[in-house]
Amino acid sequence: AQKVTQAQTEISVVEKEDVTLDCVYETRDTTYYLFWYKQPPSGELVFLIRRNSFDEQNEISGRYSWNFQKSTSSFNFTITASQVVDSAVYFCALRAGGTSYGKLTFGQGTILTVHP
Amino acid sequence: EAGVAQSPRYKIIEKRQSVAFWCNPISGHATLYWYQQILGQGPKLLIQFQNNGVVDDSQLPKDRFSAERLKGVDSTLKIQPAKLEDSAVYLCASSLVPGRGRTNEKLFFGSGTQLSVL
Repeated sequence: AQKVTQAQTEISVVEKEDVTLDCVYETRDTTYYLFWYKQPPSGELVFLIRRNSFDEQNEISGRYSWNFQKSTSSFNFTITASQVVDSAVYFCALRAGGTSYGKLTFGQGTILTVHP
Repeated sequence: EAGVAQSPRYKIIEKRQSVAFWCNPISGHATLYWYQQILGQGPKLLIQFQNNGVVDDSQLPKDRFSAERLKGVDSTLKIQPAKLEDSAVYLCASSLVPGRGRTNEKLFFGSGTQLSVL
């Protein structure tokens, strides 16, 4: 069975602060894929990143960075110099290697509010 | 490029009534998904189509939920009869067929249909 836990239900920061969203996962598979999606108030989920279990390199994309640590089963997401437009619900998700493409197990989500 | 279109945006029904949701995926996307998102939870996959065939419906409550994908393009999801616990946002997503070299596994989501069952 797979499980994704996002322990932070809500986070509130002031603009320009850095913020880290935590994600811990459980799976028995040796091959798996991890994702982050953003859900703005409009409702549609927006893909941010996919990592496979064999690639533990951290990744940076603009103000976004991701830290993948297999030893702690974590895939944390950091936003540097947060902006009001970053306010959204952020979901971490997992897909086992043996399951169908797109069959994601999502965490409960973290509501991020960035105040001006 | 047009995104994934869903309608209606909101629907309110009484329990035991039936309801249907419609989805039009991005042009050229062979794979279509229906996810259910209950308030305060992450989305859960209900059914996945590739073209007009079902790939995975293991989490679809088949006694009351049904879905079809007409001619491998549009899709409808139906609930009959609805229960109170079906209140949720129903999200449709689409993606390209996975293939060699396609590593981003990017799903494109619609804005969803918010269903309230009273």
